[in-house]
Parts: sequence; structure tokens; C-alpha cells
Amino acid sequence: DQQVKQNSPSLSVQEGRISILNCDYTNSMFDYFLWYKKYPAEGPTFLISISSIKDKNEDGRFTVFLNKSAKHLSLHIVPSQPGDSAVYFCAASERFGNEKLTFGTGTRLTIIP
Amino acid sequence: GAGVSQSPSNKVTEKGKDVELRCDPISGHTALYWYRQSLGQGLEFLIYFQGNSAPDKSGLPSDRFSAERTGGSVSTLTIQRTQQEDSAVYLCASSPGSVRETQYFGPGTRLLVL
Repeated sequence: DQQVKQNSPSLSVQEGRISILNCDYTNSMFDYFLWYKKYPAEGPTFLISISSIKDKNEDGRFTVFLNKSAKHLSLHIVPSQPGDSAVYFCAASERFGNEKLTFGTGTRLTIIP
Repeated sequence: GAGVSQSPSNKVTEKGKDVELRCDPISGHTALYWYRQSLGQGLEFLIYFQGNSAPDKSGLPSDRFSAERTGGSVSTLTIQRTQQEDSAVYLCASSPGSVRETQYFGPGTRLLVL
């Protein structure tokens, strides 16, 4: 049972445009969400997070939006740059001391120069 | 400072053999996590350590998998009697404390079971 879903395996965006990566979850106990970025042959690196008490968190070119009623979050990258080409993973954790992260299957973002 | 390191970076083994994968976390990080990523899949949680104890082993797929952590630092993931379905990239991550703090990942060990 995939509790965190990234339904788009891949996405191509023109350089300078906005990239929007989507993630859906089914577990209503999730209350903390993260995005990780992964380059080939490297481990994932943390990008941005959001707590369920917020609906938006911004860090430079990256903004994460959370819609709790729809159990949906999205990552916006604007403007997109060639170095943003990577696989992006959405992850979530439950409240009350459950220490594991549940990851989605990832979306491969390609920025076209 | 040094990040999370894992060894070996690649491992090819024959079905039925045992393998040991090593993780060196960032110094001072008390939390350590093991994940694996099979082809076309997301990262799958295996086990979590806080110090030397493992309060959550719920992700270990079978009793052929075990892990230990010594001195609150290095961790070893052991897979006994490897099967072809064990082929995956095994990733280790560490964090200063809880899951609400950023997890820093190592580059992974790519395991291929023939």
C-alpha cells in the first residue's frame, strides 16, 4: 500500500519556467512533509519541509504548498535552472514519535536549456 | 565536515551468500536510518537507531536482515542468504536527533545478487 504517491514519473520544463511537482498521501496521521532531491549515484539531499500547521513554506526559488483537506502537496521551483534536473522525492512522517519517513517513488525533473 | 559515508559503494554477490554493508554517520548524530531503493521504487524504510538501540525495526523485510550500531556511531546492515530480490541500493542517513530534523544521506551501496 503506497501511502505517499508521486503519480508523474517524469517532467520536462523549459529553463526559466516554473516546475510543479505533485505528491498525494493517504495516511491522515502524516503531519510533517519533506522534499528531497537526488542526483545520480548520490544520496538524496534535503530541500524543503512543511509542517501540517502551515499551508505554505518558501525558501528562495523553492515553495512547498500543503492542502490538508485534499491530502496533497506540491513543490514549485521558479525559475527553473538546468542544475535542478534531478529526481525529486516527497516524504512524510507521522506525529507522536514515529521516527520513520515514508517516501514516494520520485519524479525525474529535466530542465531543458 | 565529513558527510555520511557508506562502504562498499558496489557489491556483487551470489545468491545464498551473506553480505555486510557499513555506514559511518556524521559525527555527533544520534539518529541513524537505513533505507533501500529497489529499481523503480521509492525509498523503503528498513530500521532506525537512536544511539545504539533500535526502537523501530518494522521495515526489515525478513529475518535474514539484521542491523547493529556500536558506540553510537558506525552501523552495519547484514543480509544473510541473499536472494535476487535483495538487489537494490541501500542508503544510510543520520540526523542530529529526531525525524523532524534533516536526515543526511550517504551515497548508498548498490547491491547486486546474481
